[in-house]
Amino acid sequence: AQSVTQPDIHITVSEGASLELRCNYSYGATPYLFWYVQSPGQGLQLLLKYFSGDTLVQGIKGFEAEFKRSQSSFNLRKPSVHWSDAAEYFCAVGERSNDYKLSFGAGTTVTVRA
Amino acid sequence: DGGITQSPKYLFRKEGQNVTLSCEQNLNHDAMYWYRQDPGQGLRLIYYSQIVNDFQKGDIAEGYSVSREKKESFPLTVTSAQKNPTAFYLCASSRTKGQPQHFGDGTRLSIL
Repeated sequence: AQSVTQPDIHITVSEGASLELRCNYSYGATPYLFWYVQSPGQGLQLLLKYFSGDTLVQGIKGFEAEFKRSQSSFNLRKPSVHWSDAAEYFCAVGERSNDYKLSFGAGTTVTVRA
Repeated sequence: DGGITQSPKYLFRKEGQNVTLSCEQNLNHDAMYWYRQDPGQGLRLIYYSQIVNDFQKGDIAEGYSVSREKKESFPLTVTSAQKNPTAFYLCASSRTKGQPQHFGDGTRLSIL
């Protein structure tokens, strides 16, 4: 069965520090990979996506993610965190053989301290 | 501006009652989706539709029903058979299957 794991439930980071959120998945074929961000009581906003090609992808708000096939990972990074980055982050994976349906990780909540 | 509109933002259901959550999009997207979000569990797919007049069950369809009579609308009915309906419900759409999904702002359903 497909699964998406975000090992960190909650991360606290100081403003200006770097941030890395982990995402691991288990799929047989090449997946479609996404990172979304959610503010409290709101919907999800797409940060970035990977379909194919360059394994380092750039997204909005200064985020980037790297697809590592050998590690089945798609970790999200930001070099310098702003207070407005406090939110919940979700990794999602889709697969052509599964009708492109997305499976979501349980999410990582990011707290930014001054 | 194009987007997805979910209404109402908050909804209360009495025991034994069916309720319908609205989802409208003006993005001209073919595919639409309904997810349920519970704390600590991420999003789980309830139903999805890739084209008008067609829809498929997701991972947790029991106790829910949908229709797709118009391209822009994909209402979700939470029936009395859904014994634990309290959750945050999110509607999404994508240009076609496999493309990034755009989300509405959600409806929070609670039981009276």
